[in-house]
Parts: sequence; C-alpha cells; structure tokens
Amino acid sequence: QKEVEQNSGPLSVPEGAIASLNCTYSDRGSQSFFWYRQYSGKSPELIMFIYSNGDKEDGRFTAQLNKASQYVSLLIRDSQPSDSATYLCAVNRVTGGGNKLTFGTGTQLKVEL
Amino acid sequence: DVKVTQSSRYLVKRTGEKVFLECVQDMDHENMFWYRQDPGLGLRLIYFSYDVKMKEKGDIPEGYSVSREKKERFSLILESASTNQTSMYLCASSLRDRGIGGYTFGSGTRLTVV
Repeated sequence: QKEVEQNSGPLSVPEGAIASLNCTYSDRGSQSFFWYRQYSGKSPELIMFIYSNGDKEDGRFTAQLNKASQYVSLLIRDSQPSDSATYLCAVNRVTGGGNKLTFGTGTQLKVEL
Repeated sequence: DVKVTQSSRYLVKRTGEKVFLECVQDMDHENMFWYRQDPGLGLRLIYFSYDVKMKEKGDIPEGYSVSREKKERFSLILESASTNQTSMYLCASSLRDRGIGGYTFGSGTRLTVV
C-alpha cells in the first residue's frame, strides 16, 4: 500500500463547477496535510494545509480532513480554467531529524470551458 | 519574497560524469530536501538535511550523495551519472519542526543523462 494515494485522473469539470480531489494516507501518526498545485513544467506551490479534523476554507479552496478514515480532500469552488493543473497531496511525518513530507502522485484536474 | 534557487534549469550530462546540482535558499530555513519527480512515480525523496553538515537518507538515496557546508546551500551529487537518473530534480526547504507551512520549492532542474 502506498503511503499517500491519489487518483491520477484526469478529473474533468466544467467551468464554474466544484472540483473534488481526494487523498488517503496509511500512517495514522501523520500530523499535518498539505495540498500543492503544480502547473506543467513548473514546481509545486503550496495552496492549503490542515491539521485538525474538519474543514478549512481559504477563498475558493476548502480542505477537509478525517483522521479516523485517514482521508483528506480539497474542494475547489467556481472552478476556473486557470485551476487546470496537477494537485499533489502531501502528508507530514516526523522522523528523528525533523519533519518531512511524503507526496502522492497527484491528480490532474482539467477545467473545461 | 522568499526564494529557493536552483543553479540550472536544464542540464545534459554524459553517462559516467560526476554531476553537481546546487540549491540555495534565503529564508534561513534549517531543513533542506532533494526530490526527484518522474511521471507516474510522483515526488520521491532522495536526501534531506536538518542542519549544517547533517544529512539523512530519503527513500531513494542510491547513486546520490549530498553536501551541506553552509545553512543556505544544499548540493546534490551524482557520483557517476546513469541514464536512469534522467529526471526532474526539485530542491525544497522548510523551517525545522514545522509541518506548518510546508515546503518552499525551487524551480527545478531537468537533468538528461545521455
């Protein structure tokens, strides 16, 4: 079982719709969870992070965390063509040397006009 | 604006060459990381460092080494480049003990080994 799993997609949604991206993780000791957006040929950029169960909203983005189910999701409301990218889920685990992130392979999102 | 700078955007090297990838951050971050990214495999951790002169192996350290002589600089070394090391290499940094805020990534180095 992969440590962090995402559906690779592509996930296609029409402009203005809600895009729902999902991620599961295997390590119950994981403490914090991140969503990165990566445009083709570019490096990942952080868009959201969440630590506590429940929802966290930032503009059009909402991150949802359910630690009991080991599930984290990202909702994008009013999807725009500029949201078309690969979304990476990352999970923080503490090692002897500090924190490090493990990434899923990403979900490709396509927002269609 | 905080920055992680990778010295080269594109590199082409020959099999057997020793290759140096440089990364510099200006955020006074303790932690620095080297990942490689390949289609279908995602980001895989090669090495990371949580302090000057300290290093720890990641998930795929074979064929690589690292150097961190100064806090702001973290170098990835391919001792003898091979074609299976053709990849996008991403450097990242973060504050110690802060899953908060995650990583800041450099712009990446696309390495081709021929």
